Amino acid sequence: SAVISQKPSRDICQRGTSLTIQCQVDSQVTMMFWYRQQPGQSLTLIATANQGSEATYESGFVIDKFPISRPNLTFSTLTVSNMSPEDSSIYLCSVDEGADTQYFGPGTRLTVL
Amino acid sequence: QQQVKQSPQSLIVQKGGISIINCAYENTAFDYFPWYQQFPGKGPALLIAIRPDVSEKKEGRFTISFNKSAKQFSLHIMDSQPGDSATYFCAASRPGNNRKLIWGLGTSLAVNP
Repeated sequence: SAVISQKPSRDICQRGTSLTIQCQVDSQVTMMFWYRQQPGQSLTLIATANQGSEATYESGFVIDKFPISRPNLTFSTLTVSNMSPEDSSIYLCSVDEGADTQYFGPGTRLTVL
Repeated sequence: QQQVKQSPQSLIVQKGGISIINCAYENTAFDYFPWYQQFPGKGPALLIAIRPDVSEKKEGRFTISFNKSAKQFSLHIMDSQPGDSATYFCAASRPGNNRKLIWGLGTSLAVNP
């Protein structure tokens, strides 16, 4: 399975600022996904990022708030813009290597003060 | 609405016992059913997955049982160990729609020594 890394692993940010989370994969993958997970809760899909096309956002998530870049087949970024305490969460990226299976990165724990 | 319903929310099992977690789904178009294991501070890790052409799949101490007519699938952990203590998520996906996963709400498993 793909090895996925995320940076930063955690951060504490002030409200009104933005944070960019990086996701790096050790192999080329077509589909990457960004999730949000509140502590103790299930995963919520933010958007799907396919290389060469605009990200597809789920209901309740908008590009202005969560802009995503996907410059190549091994890398993606998610920016959390104009942060508020409600954005405090764990952000996860995952990849689909084929066969419909998703593998996850270790996550980025974000705290907004 | 919750398309994949998972139960129980929490489970306590004695070491050596069998842990059983159940999921039910509504959409008959789902054709891929993975289970993920998540330890605190880590991303979800794929444990085992099944497709509806088989009724059971076993990998080591972990078994998925699948009942297509009842639209239910379950995870059985045999000889449960304290190291199995984690949160378990079931999920489902269907062809198209970027194969996005629809998640259960999770089960917190504690295995007492």
